[in-house]
Amino acid sequence: GESVGLHLPTLSVQEGDNSIINCAYSNSASDYFIWYKQESGKGPQFIIDIRSNMDKRQGQRVTVLLNKTVKHLSLQIAATQPGDSAVYFCAEKEAHGNEKLTFGTGTRLTIIP
Amino acid sequence: GAVVSQHPSRVICKSGTSVKIECRSLDFQATTMFWYRQFPKQSLMLMATSNEGSKATYEQGVEKDKFLINHASLTLSTLTVTSAHPEDSSFYICSAIGQGANSPLHFGNGTRLTVT
Repeated sequence: GESVGLHLPTLSVQEGDNSIINCAYSNSASDYFIWYKQESGKGPQFIIDIRSNMDKRQGQRVTVLLNKTVKHLSLQIAATQPGDSAVYFCAEKEAHGNEKLTFGTGTRLTIIP
Repeated sequence: GAVVSQHPSRVICKSGTSVKIECRSLDFQATTMFWYRQFPKQSLMLMATSNEGSKATYEQGVEKDKFLINHASLTLSTLTVTSAHPEDSSFYICSAIGQGANSPLHFGNGTRLTVT
């Protein structure tokens, strides 16, 4: 979904536990979705992506789930580590035309040692 | 791997002056670059799309005369904040996409602008 200037939601997880970060999007025309990790003072870092013809994709310790029916995206991080502490954004892109991304609000994940 | 470099990483300027931020793709040719602005604890908001050799496309509400974008080569785009004011203080981030279908999008590390 589009950011409208809201403060970031936060999520605290014990180290070693799994975390789930959720994102709702609003554009039915979006067909490509990406999760980014942003550490303080840095640009977004690509984590994992998924196209609309899939509902699940797995990477190393991360899984993205896509539910197009309810326009919902989630990022699961397994066995969280202190280095996972960051702000996580989902981003969406439309099927046709330009390559621009629309970023979601973001979630601040804090891993508790 | 592909890298996008932004310069400077931090800049402080006085109100009324202009500041130029550079975005370079270091090991690939970027046909399109994007400029984002991010206020504290908020998401990235797209300001404009910059295509090499043509005028930038600005998002609604972004003043093109205030935020001048030049994409003179396939490896360099610049954003100039003209007559900066304290409310322009923000984190500016560029991203670049290479040529070819399904080329990934790479982000720079951002520029922290503080206008005093």
